Amino acid sequence: NAGVMQNPRHLVRRRGQEARLRCSPMKGHSHVYWYRQLPEEGLKFMVYLQKENIIDESGMPKERFSAEFPKEGPSILRIQQVVRGDSAAYFCASSRGGQGNQPQHFGDGTRLSIL
Amino acid sequence: RKEVEQDPGPFNVPEGATVAFNCTYSNSASQSFFWYRQDCRKEPKLLMSVYSSGNEDGRFTAQLNRASQYISLLIRDSKLSDSATYLCVVNGDNYGQNFVFGPGTRLSVLP
Repeated sequence: NAGVMQNPRHLVRRRGQEARLRCSPMKGHSHVYWYRQLPEEGLKFMVYLQKENIIDESGMPKERFSAEFPKEGPSILRIQQVVRGDSAAYFCASSRGGQGNQPQHFGDGTRLSIL
Repeated sequence: RKEVEQDPGPFNVPEGATVAFNCTYSNSASQSFFWYRQDCRKEPKLLMSVYSSGNEDGRFTAQLNRASQYISLLIRDSKLSDSATYLCVVNGDNYGQNFVFGPGTRLSVLP
């Protein structure tokens, strides 16, 4: 499968624990984006990364959330000390380049549930 | 005013009907536009890009009106499988990937 791969598909955490969400972009894509979607709501941009660089993190909460896209391996979205309000679907997308006319392709998402 | 606005629907139409969705955007500098569809609890999937001159892909036609900052999607001969939420997406920055997703319009095609 050459598409965007996210894992895990479902993640359950207790309040105060850490959640790590992983995303491998499509082959040939070097730009990765993370979005959050609450039930019955639209997609909200969180962060845009290229290899080893954060390009735009304007949509990511300043506390508890971090993202990386290392030289080797998948992009990681990390949520520390999770709270009930973090429960959502987290989607990763990738694109071939950073030009505005390049469409983004999405992974299946990770459904995070906080107990 | 929100950056990208759509009529939330739902639009309930019979099979075979023609249905049109509208989308307005606030950033006049926006250069790239797309329609995505999202099925319940699934990931968004690219339906089509929207070009300045308008474009067609089978039963789907997209139009762009820059002067009015308005995008439309027309679906002809609706199928049951067209039932989904349709997301209007605007790239607010021609030099980067500042994608802004609309809230979506829900379509239900009824037998």
